[in-house]
Amino acid sequence: QKEVEQDPGPLSVPEGAIVSLNCTYSNSAFQYFMWYRQYSRKGPELLMYTYSSGNKEDGRFTAQVDKSSKYISLFIRDSQPSDSATYLCAMTGRDDKIIFGKGTRLHILP
Amino acid sequence: GAVVSQHPSWVICKSGTSVKIECRSLDFQATTMFWYRQFPKQSLMLMATSNEGSKATYEQGVEKDKFLINHASLTLSTLTVTSAHPEDSSFYICSAREGQKTQYFGPGTRLLVL
Repeated sequence: QKEVEQDPGPLSVPEGAIVSLNCTYSNSAFQYFMWYRQYSRKGPELLMYTYSSGNKEDGRFTAQVDKSSKYISLFIRDSQPSDSATYLCAMTGRDDKIIFGKGTRLHILP
Repeated sequence: GAVVSQHPSWVICKSGTSVKIECRSLDFQATTMFWYRQFPKQSLMLMATSNEGSKATYEQGVEKDKFLINHASLTLSTLTVTSAHPEDSSFYICSAREGQKTQYFGPGTRLLVL
């Protein structure tokens, strides 16, 4: 079993829809959970950063962590064509090493 | 926010030659730098971690004699791919952080070995 599982997509949704992106993980030692956005041929950009379980909201983005289920989510409200990118979940534990998911390719259709 | 740059952004080289990639933190002191490799439609895979002034720590399966990492200052780390082969063609991304703060990623360097 891989440490982090993420559906690669692609996921296509119409503009204005709510997008739900998810990851599952197997290592219960993970404590910090991140979501990165990566445009084609670019480096990843940190979107959200959450410690332990709970919700965190930043503008149109909401990150959720459920440690009991080892499941994390990123919601994007009022999706825009400019949100089209690959979204990578990532997590780390005490050793500070970031483990990334494969990324989900998202297409927002105008 | 913190900015990390990489140079070059893309490079094409012949098989057997060596290629050097630079990673710079522009507005903070990068006590730790990380080098990742990303193949198409795959995740970022950590290759090595380097602390300024120390030898890099390589991940399992990464040849330290092939991927030479130098972190000689608090703003610069270099990755040299020695005797590059076509299978080394990939997207190389560095990241940097100051102390235990957040890692910031560079824009990546695309390497194509012919």
